[in-house]
Amino acid sequence: AQKITQTQPGMFVQEKEAVTLDCTYDTSDPSYGLFWYKQPSSGEMIFLIYQGSYDQQNATEGRYSLNFQKARKSANLVISASQLGDSAMYFCAMRENFGNEKLTFGTGTRLTIIP
Amino acid sequence: EAQVTQNPRYLITVTGKKLTVTCSQNMNHEYMSWYRQDPGLGLRQIYYSMNVEVTDKGDVPEGYKVSRKEKRNFPLILESPSPNQTSLYFCASKGFGGSNTEAFFGQGTRLTVV
Repeated sequence: AQKITQTQPGMFVQEKEAVTLDCTYDTSDPSYGLFWYKQPSSGEMIFLIYQGSYDQQNATEGRYSLNFQKARKSANLVISASQLGDSAMYFCAMRENFGNEKLTFGTGTRLTIIP
Repeated sequence: EAQVTQNPRYLITVTGKKLTVTCSQNMNHEYMSWYRQDPGLGLRQIYYSMNVEVTDKGDVPEGYKVSRKEKRNFPLILESPSPNQTSLYFCASKGFGGSNTEAFFGQGTRLTVV
C-alpha cells in the first residue's frame, strides 16, 4: 500500500490565487513527521514546512501552511497568494520513528502558476 | 553556509564502468542518506548511515555500495553501473535531537548510463 499519496499529478493556478496541494498518508506509528519539499526546475530539493504528529496546531511558514487532519490522515499544503516563482514540483514526505530517519515520498505534484 | 555538496552534478558513463558520486556536509550531522528519484516514483532511499562506520540498506540498495569513514563524507559507489541506474540522485543529511527536524539535500546528481 502507498504510504504517501499525492493524487494531483499536475495543477494550473492563476497568479495571486491560493492553491491547495493534496497529500494523504498511511502509518501505524503514533509518532511521525510530515514534510513538504519544493523542487524547482533546477532540481534541488527545498524544505518548506514540517508538521509533527503530536503538534496541536497546523504548521505555518510565511505563505505556506499545512492543513493537518490527523483523523483523515491528510496533510495538505496551502500556498497563499501564489507567485510565478512557485511553479515547481512539490513532494509530500513522511518520516516514521522506526530507527531509520528515512523519508517516504509521494510521487509529487507539478504546480504551474499562470500569469 | 550550511550545505550538502554532491559531485559531479551531471555524469554520463558507460555500462560496467565503476563510478563514485561524492557527498559532503558541513553541519556535523550524524545521519546521511542517498535517494534516487525516478519519474512517477518520487524519491526512494538507497542506503543510509546513522554515524561513522554505521551503514545500512534502504529500499533499493541493489547495485550500490556506500562507505562512511568520516562524519562529513558519504560517497555512493556504483561498481558496475547499468542503464536501469540512470536516475537523479540526492544525498541528504540530518542531525539528531532537539530542533533538528528536516533533512538537508544536496543539489542532485543526474546520472546517465548508456
